[in-house]
Amino acid sequence: GEDVEQSLFLSVREGDSSVINCTYTDSSSTYLYWYKQEPGAGLQLLTYIFSNMDMKQDQRLTVLLNKKDKHLSLRIADTQTGDSAIYFCAENAGNTPLVFGKGTRLSVIA
Amino acid sequence: DADVTQTPRNRITKTGKRIMLECSQTKGHDRMYWYRQDPGLGLRLIYYSFDVKDINKGEISDGYSVSRQAQAKFSLSLESAIPNQTALYFCATSDPTDTAYNEQFFGPGTRLTVL
Repeated sequence: GEDVEQSLFLSVREGDSSVINCTYTDSSSTYLYWYKQEPGAGLQLLTYIFSNMDMKQDQRLTVLLNKKDKHLSLRIADTQTGDSAIYFCAENAGNTPLVFGKGTRLSVIA
Repeated sequence: DADVTQTPRNRITKTGKRIMLECSQTKGHDRMYWYRQDPGLGLRLIYYSFDVKDINKGEISDGYSVSRQAQAKFSLSLESAIPNQTALYFCATSDPTDTAYNEQFFGPGTRLTVL
């Protein structure tokens, strides 16, 4: 079945860039997503990328997709303390529920 | 008002008790999901429903059951709670005709503790 892998922890200094990586197994994924979970809250969609794209930029966020290697990354420029959260990678391989990774906890040190 | 609501937000119960977690949505979505979140294990799918007459098991359905009472309501039951069902439970909705990228919208979660 589908599987999504990501590292569990990342710590960065305020003002630096953060890069969160994800690998997935289903080559038929049509969309890939990054969800953000702030403390005490549910998940919210942060950004997504269609599988025929290799990059998407949205203000401080850059998503890179390497379909050959099945690798997705999320770069947050000028990381702020408010970016501290758990970030989930997810894939959509058709008419099935999204498959989520285990989540990467980003800690921003002031 | 929140589009996806969950009740209760927190619950402490004892082993062997029957528990029901409720989810309601005002988004008009046909698809609803129940997940549990455990530290280091991420989000795991328990059950999902693509419409009122459709119920499907997810990867960890053992020990759980669901009821889709209406398009807007999807309940999760633990028939006889056990301590390893202590977790954070999330309800979510989606509609592939709503957004092309099939976004899932999450409720705020229910923190369940089984003693």
